[in-house]
Amino acid sequence: GENVEQHPSTLSVQEGDSAVIKCTYSDSASNYFPWYKQELGKRPQLIIDIRSNVGEKKDQRIAVTLNKTAKHFSLHITETQPEDSAVYFCAAGGSARQLTFGSGTQLTVLP
Amino acid sequence: NAGVTQTPKFQVLKTGQSMTLQCAQDMNHNSMYWYRQDPGMGLRLIYYSASEGTTDKGEVPNGYNVSRLNKREFSLRLESAAPSQTSVYFCASTGTPGYTFGSGTRLTVV
Repeated sequence: GENVEQHPSTLSVQEGDSAVIKCTYSDSASNYFPWYKQELGKRPQLIIDIRSNVGEKKDQRIAVTLNKTAKHFSLHITETQPEDSAVYFCAAGGSARQLTFGSGTQLTVLP
Repeated sequence: NAGVTQTPKFQVLKTGQSMTLQCAQDMNHNSMYWYRQDPGMGLRLIYYSASEGTTDKGEVPNGYNVSRLNKREFSLRLESAAPSQTSVYFCASTGTPGYTFGSGTRLTVV
Protein backbone atom coordinates (compact mmCIF):
# COMPACT_ATOMS: atom_id res chain seq x y z
CA GLY A 1 0.00 0.00 0.00
CA GLU A 2 0.85 3.66 -0.03
CA ASN A 3 3.31 5.12 2.47
CA VAL A 4 3.55 8.88 3.02
CA GLU A 5 6.37 10.52 4.95
CA GLN A 6 6.14 14.14 6.03
CA HIS A 7 8.86 16.50 7.25
CA PRO A 8 9.45 18.37 9.42
CA SER A 9 7.24 17.34 12.32
CA THR A 10 7.49 20.82 13.83
CA LEU A 11 8.29 24.14 12.17
CA SER A 12 8.58 27.60 13.67
CA VAL A 13 8.84 30.69 11.49
CA GLN A 14 8.73 34.42 12.07
CA GLU A 15 5.63 36.22 10.91
CA GLY A 16 6.10 37.28 7.30
CA ASP A 17 8.60 34.54 6.49
CA SER A 18 7.89 31.55 4.27
CA ALA A 19 7.22 28.00 5.42
CA VAL A 20 7.83 24.82 3.44
CA ILE A 21 6.58 21.35 4.33
CA LYS A 22 7.68 18.33 2.32
CA CYS A 23 6.14 14.91 1.72
CA THR A 24 7.25 11.81 -0.11
CA TYR A 25 5.05 8.96 -1.27
CA SER A 26 5.76 5.41 -2.37
CA ASP A 27 2.98 4.33 -4.73
CA SER A 28 3.53 5.55 -8.27
CA ALA A 29 -0.19 4.93 -8.95
CA SER A 30 -1.19 7.76 -6.59
CA ASN A 31 -2.51 10.69 -8.58
CA TYR A 32 -4.15 12.98 -6.03
CA PHE A 33 -2.26 14.98 -3.39
CA PRO A 34 -4.25 17.16 -1.00
CA TRP A 35 -3.12 19.24 1.94
CA TYR A 36 -5.22 19.68 5.06
CA LYS A 37 -5.01 22.25 7.83
CA GLN A 38 -6.15 21.32 11.31
CA GLU A 39 -6.52 23.98 13.96
CA LEU A 40 -6.44 22.95 17.59
CA GLY A 41 -9.50 20.92 18.53
CA LYS A 42 -11.05 21.19 15.08
CA ARG A 43 -11.51 18.96 12.06
CA PRO A 44 -8.99 18.81 9.20
CA GLN A 45 -9.97 21.08 6.33
CA LEU A 46 -8.75 20.95 2.75
CA ILE A 47 -6.64 23.97 1.84
CA ILE A 48 -5.20 23.00 -1.53
CA ASP A 49 -4.78 19.92 -3.69
CA ILE A 50 -2.95 18.91 -6.83
CA ARG A 51 -3.37 16.14 -9.34
CA SER A 52 -0.56 14.27 -11.00
CA ASN A 53 -1.01 15.96 -14.36
CA VAL A 54 -0.08 19.33 -12.83
CA GLY A 55 3.34 20.37 -11.50
CA GLU A 56 2.34 23.39 -9.44
CA LYS A 57 -0.79 25.03 -8.13
CA LYS A 58 -1.22 28.35 -6.30
CA ASP A 59 -3.99 29.86 -4.24
CA GLN A 60 -3.11 33.27 -2.85
CA ARG A 61 -0.35 32.73 -0.26
CA ILE A 62 -0.23 28.94 -0.53
CA ALA A 63 1.19 26.78 -3.28
CA VAL A 64 1.85 23.12 -3.82
CA THR A 65 4.49 21.60 -6.08
CA LEU A 66 4.67 18.01 -7.28
CA ASN A 67 7.64 16.06 -8.61
CA LYS A 68 6.26 12.77 -9.91
CA THR A 69 9.64 11.40 -10.86
CA ALA A 70 11.02 11.82 -7.37
CA LYS A 71 7.64 11.06 -5.76
CA HIS A 72 7.58 14.11 -3.58
CA PHE A 73 5.35 17.13 -3.15
CA SER A 74 5.62 20.24 -1.04
CA LEU A 75 3.44 22.92 0.53
CA HIS A 76 4.69 26.49 0.43
CA ILE A 77 3.15 29.24 2.54
CA THR A 78 4.40 32.77 1.90
CA GLU A 79 4.03 35.86 4.09
CA THR A 80 3.01 33.73 7.05
CA GLN A 81 0.53 35.11 9.56
CA PRO A 82 -0.30 34.02 13.12
CA GLU A 83 -3.56 32.47 11.87
CA ASP A 84 -1.48 30.08 9.76
CA SER A 85 -0.41 28.34 12.98
CA ALA A 86 -1.92 24.84 12.87
CA VAL A 87 -1.10 21.23 12.08
CA TYR A 88 -0.75 20.54 8.35
CA PHE A 89 -1.24 17.10 6.84
CA CYS A 90 -0.29 15.94 3.39
CA ALA A 91 -1.97 12.95 1.81
CA ALA A 92 -1.69 10.79 -1.28
CA GLY A 93 -4.10 8.51 -3.06
CA GLY A 94 -6.18 7.86 -6.12
CA SER A 95 -8.68 10.57 -7.01
CA ALA A 96 -9.47 11.50 -3.40
CA ARG A 97 -10.32 7.94 -2.44
CA GLN A 98 -8.56 6.00 0.28
CA LEU A 99 -6.11 8.70 1.10
CA THR A 100 -2.99 7.87 3.10
CA PHE A 101 -1.96 10.73 5.35
CA GLY A 102 1.41 11.94 6.50
CA SER A 103 2.10 12.24 10.21
CA GLY A 104 1.55 16.00 10.29
CA THR A 105 3.59 19.18 10.76
CA GLN A 106 2.93 21.55 13.64
CA LEU A 107 3.52 25.02 12.19
CA THR A 108 3.97 27.88 14.63
CA VAL A 109 4.13 31.45 13.32
CA LEU A 110 5.89 33.68 15.84
CA PRO A 111 4.77 37.31 16.04
CA ASN B 1 -26.60 21.63 4.63
CA ALA B 2 -24.77 20.17 7.66
CA GLY B 3 -22.03 18.27 5.77
CA VAL B 4 -20.72 15.41 7.91
CA THR B 5 -22.22 15.02 11.38
CA GLN B 6 -20.64 12.84 14.06
CA THR B 7 -21.98 11.86 17.45
CA PRO B 8 -21.02 11.86 20.26
CA LYS B 9 -18.32 14.55 20.52
CA PHE B 10 -16.85 13.11 23.71
CA GLN B 11 -17.07 9.70 25.36
CA VAL B 12 -15.41 7.94 28.27
CA LEU B 13 -15.65 4.15 28.37
CA LYS B 14 -14.45 1.54 30.77
CA THR B 15 -12.33 -1.28 29.41
CA GLY B 16 -14.59 -3.94 27.97
CA GLN B 17 -17.58 -1.69 27.35
CA SER B 18 -19.05 -1.32 23.89
CA MET B 19 -20.25 1.70 21.97
CA THR B 20 -21.18 2.88 18.50
CA LEU B 21 -19.97 6.09 16.90
CA GLN B 22 -22.49 7.54 14.50
CA CYS B 23 -21.77 9.41 11.27
CA ALA B 24 -24.14 10.88 8.72
CA GLN B 25 -23.56 12.98 5.61
CA ASP B 26 -26.09 14.94 3.60
CA MET B 27 -23.95 15.55 0.51
CA ASN B 28 -25.02 12.44 -1.42
CA HIS B 29 -21.45 11.10 -1.34
CA ASN B 30 -20.86 7.47 -2.19
CA SER B 31 -17.69 6.88 -0.19
CA MET B 32 -17.34 7.22 3.56
CA TYR B 33 -14.43 6.60 5.92
CA TRP B 34 -13.48 6.21 9.54
CA TYR B 35 -10.06 7.43 10.67
CA ARG B 36 -8.39 7.58 14.04
CA GLN B 37 -5.95 10.32 14.96
CA ASP B 38 -3.19 9.76 17.48
CA PRO B 39 -0.41 12.21 18.40
CA GLY B 40 2.49 12.03 15.97
CA MET B 41 0.80 9.42 13.79
CA GLY B 42 -1.46 11.42 11.54
CA LEU B 43 -4.76 10.00 10.45
CA ARG B 44 -4.98 6.24 10.04
CA LEU B 45 -7.77 4.56 8.13
CA ILE B 46 -9.85 2.08 10.14
CA TYR B 47 -12.58 1.10 7.67
CA TYR B 48 -14.10 2.56 4.57
CA SER B 49 -17.21 2.10 2.46
CA ALA B 50 -16.90 2.79 -1.24
CA SER B 51 -20.65 2.63 -1.72
CA GLU B 52 -23.84 1.66 0.05
CA GLY B 53 -23.72 -2.01 0.95
CA THR B 54 -19.92 -2.39 0.85
CA THR B 55 -17.30 -2.06 3.55
CA ASP B 56 -13.56 -2.78 3.58
CA LYS B 57 -10.76 -2.83 6.10
CA GLY B 58 -8.23 -0.06 6.24
CA GLU B 59 -4.84 0.12 7.92
CA VAL B 60 -5.96 -0.47 11.55
CA PRO B 61 -9.26 -2.42 11.60
CA ASN B 62 -8.65 -4.71 14.59
CA GLY B 63 -11.13 -4.19 17.42
CA TYR B 64 -13.65 -2.35 15.25
CA ASN B 65 -16.67 -3.14 13.13
CA VAL B 66 -18.64 -0.92 10.78
CA SER B 67 -22.07 -0.74 9.23
CA ARG B 68 -23.08 1.23 6.16
CA LEU B 69 -26.72 1.55 7.09
CA ASN B 70 -27.68 3.49 3.96
CA LYS B 71 -26.05 6.01 1.68
CA ARG B 72 -26.07 8.67 4.40
CA GLU B 73 -24.97 6.76 7.48
CA PHE B 74 -21.76 4.91 8.36
CA SER B 75 -21.32 3.75 11.95
CA LEU B 76 -18.25 2.48 13.81
CA ARG B 77 -18.62 0.00 16.66
CA LEU B 78 -16.22 -0.93 19.40
CA GLU B 79 -17.38 -4.27 20.79
CA SER B 80 -14.99 -4.46 23.74
CA ALA B 81 -13.11 -1.20 24.25
CA ALA B 82 -9.42 -1.26 25.17
CA PRO B 83 -7.16 1.56 26.41
CA SER B 84 -5.28 1.37 23.07
CA GLN B 85 -8.45 2.63 21.41
CA THR B 86 -8.21 5.97 23.21
CA SER B 87 -8.03 8.37 20.30
CA VAL B 88 -9.85 11.01 18.31
CA TYR B 89 -12.07 9.47 15.65
CA PHE B 90 -13.01 11.24 12.44
CA CYS B 91 -15.61 10.26 9.94
CA ALA B 92 -15.24 11.58 6.39
CA SER B 93 -16.94 11.37 3.06
CA THR B 94 -15.50 11.92 -0.39
CA GLY B 95 -16.65 14.83 -2.41
CA THR B 96 -15.21 17.31 -4.87
CA PRO B 97 -12.73 18.34 -3.89
CA GLY B 98 -11.27 15.94 -1.39
CA TYR B 99 -12.60 14.72 1.91
CA THR B 100 -15.11 16.45 4.13
CA PHE B 101 -14.48 15.54 7.75
CA GLY B 102 -16.86 15.41 10.66
CA SER B 103 -16.03 17.33 13.82
CA GLY B 104 -14.55 14.28 15.54
CA THR B 105 -15.22 12.12 18.59
CA ARG B 106 -12.74 12.21 21.44
CA LEU B 107 -12.84 8.76 23.04
CA THR B 108 -11.09 7.84 26.25
CA VAL B 109 -10.98 4.24 27.44
CA VAL B 110 -10.02 3.81 31.09
